[in-house]
Amino acid sequence: EAGVAQSPRYKIIEKRQSVAFWCNPISGHATLYWYQQILGQGPKLLIQFQNNGVVDDSQLPKDRFSAERLKGVDSTLKIQPAKLEDSAVYLCASSFDRGREKLFFGSGTQLSVL
Amino acid sequence: RKEVEQDPGPFNVPEGATVAFNCTYSNSASQSFFWYRQDCRKEPKLLMSVYSSGNEDGRFTAQLNRASQYISLLIRDSKLSDSATYLCVVNTLGAAGNKLTFGGGTRVLVKP
Repeated sequence: EAGVAQSPRYKIIEKRQSVAFWCNPISGHATLYWYQQILGQGPKLLIQFQNNGVVDDSQLPKDRFSAERLKGVDSTLKIQPAKLEDSAVYLCASSFDRGREKLFFGSGTQLSVL
Repeated sequence: RKEVEQDPGPFNVPEGATVAFNCTYSNSASQSFFWYRQDCRKEPKLLMSVYSSGNEDGRFTAQLNRASQYISLLIRDSKLSDSATYLCVVNTLGAAGNKLTFGGGTRVLVKP
């Protein structure tokens, strides 16, 4: 079974530039999550989708971050403009349904903002 | 107070020894609990769920104390391969449905 796919694996940008990350969840998984993990900290939920609808985006900095999940399958997360403090690993995860708490994570995108 | 708190460690453990660490949570309405394992520069992976009666999976034992609002993980006969960060995850039912909150992780280093 294919896992959660994410790209790119690494990204280096300068502050004020924009960047986008892509995630393809496990086939059939209705719930998709984007997490931000700063070095030395646990993952912090940015946004949660159920199919193509947003369930929770309370911790998403909406002035610079946006995410979409068109057609309820793959998803993109965008940062525009990036700040130094956005340097982190961005993890995408999926689960079969909202009631299923087992998350399957992708390998993540390591973002460095210079 | 953070929703989910863990001692960051590191816990330096001799190979073959036992190590245990806790995770406290602030919301008494939290419903379910999990331990995830994260290797260096890798993604988190589910280690085990934590049940009210406590549960064991090989050398790993997880327990839940609802009265004091903490969960624990115990690793017996530690192996070098147990070196990792252990993330506590708490599931709370809110207005938007299930919300999974991660702790900051406890780093364990098993040494020969």
